[in-house]
Amino acid sequence: DADVTQTPRNRITKTGKRIMLECSQTKGHDRMYWYRQDPGLGLRLIYYSFDVKDINKGEISDGYSVSRQAQAKFSLSLESAIPNQTALYFCATSDSRHRGLAGVDTQYFGPGTRLTVL
Amino acid sequence: AQKVTQAQTEISVVEKEDVTLDCVYETRDTTYYLFWYKQPPSGELVFLIRRNSFDEQNEISGRYSWNFQKSTSSFNFTITASQVVDSAVYFCALSEAEAAGNKLTFGGGTRVLVKP
Repeated sequence: DADVTQTPRNRITKTGKRIMLECSQTKGHDRMYWYRQDPGLGLRLIYYSFDVKDINKGEISDGYSVSRQAQAKFSLSLESAIPNQTALYFCATSDSRHRGLAGVDTQYFGPGTRLTVL
Repeated sequence: AQKVTQAQTEISVVEKEDVTLDCVYETRDTTYYLFWYKQPPSGELVFLIRRNSFDEQNEISGRYSWNFQKSTSSFNFTITASQVVDSAVYFCALSEAEAAGNKLTFGGGTRVLVKP
């Protein structure tokens, strides 16, 4: 079984609809992240959570919200989807106990969710 | 602010050829990590390597090798004797020690197409 799972893997929705993307992990990591990928732009951070009670905005959080239901679960919501939120969304996890010399964790990514907003 | 540039958007090679992917970064921090990730056609992101700013030793893992040069702010990736399975988009990324949220800044990616 995959260490980081995302559901759904694909979703097509209409403008104005509320959408929730879910992420679960069995890696035992304390930190979780949501990114979106757009062609030619790499990945950009939406939100991150360092533990269940710690949630922070990333560089492109407008139009999104998150919920950390448990250490292993981190959900991303689009309250009212719009077409420019069409993208590939990735969840990632990292373990703060295995920080490197620079105090930086390695992030491991889920398989992604392809979201299309019509 | 941190920035990663992958100037090559797409590289096409014939199987068994070597291919080098360029990655140039900008950072004001003296302590940081550099990463490479692979995104095969199936879409997932696979971690390949990380290197901290204090370790400029080159690294080799099978057919993969990495050349880190602080003097030119580059962290290039070479695939030796490429295979069709190497076809993917490859991302270079940077994380500064002082960046909030353990933030990874990605380059735009380089698509590698290995033809049989």
